[in-house]
Amino acid sequence: TQLLEQSPQFLSIQEGENLTVYCNSSSVFSSLQWYRQEPGEGPVLLVTVVTGGEVKKLKRLTFQFGDARKDSSLHITAAQPGDTGLYLCAGDSSGNTPLVFGKGTRLSVIA
Amino acid sequence: DVKVTQSSRYLVKRTGEKVFLECVQDMDHENMFWYRQDPGLGLRLIYFSYDVKMKEKGDIPEGYSVSREKKERFSLILESASTNQTSMYLCASSLSGGRAFFGQGTRLTVV
Repeated sequence: TQLLEQSPQFLSIQEGENLTVYCNSSSVFSSLQWYRQEPGEGPVLLVTVVTGGEVKKLKRLTFQFGDARKDSSLHITAAQPGDTGLYLCAGDSSGNTPLVFGKGTRLSVIA
Repeated sequence: DVKVTQSSRYLVKRTGEKVFLECVQDMDHENMFWYRQDPGLGLRLIYFSYDVKMKEKGDIPEGYSVSREKKERFSLILESASTNQTSMYLCASSLSGGRAFFGQGTRLTVV
């Protein structure tokens, strides 16, 4: 069974601070997706990383896929209260298998 | 705008009732999924379907069944609701190997 371990599980920081969320596995994935979920809503895709070593930026969010395609990180610069939410990583093994989800990182950014 | 629509945002049912959760997508996706989401446990896959009239068990299928009579509709059935099935239920759809689009979720309470 493939597993994705996310850390930390909870993160509470002040507005303006930087943070990094990690997503690790012993399995290789063909791609890694990051989602954000707000209270009472379903997860929404932020980005997909496909190539080992790939870095993608989405405004203040930087996503990196590990060289071996087993791990990924999400770095937020100068966090804002609007970044508050549950961040989920999901690995795609290719073929017709469901995504494997991490348990999520619940981020709270305090003004 | 692409959409996955779940029939109810909130449901309260009694123990032993048969419960139907409906999900409809308008993107002509082959793949549809049902998850439940609980604090500390993340998203857990209940059932999924890659085609009409086709279904596969996920990680926690016990106590649930599904129906996919039409491509756009995927129903989750709780045969006899129990209190341990109180949870947030999320439906998703996708193309093969693609991003998952989630519904807004159904918060089910079994009393």
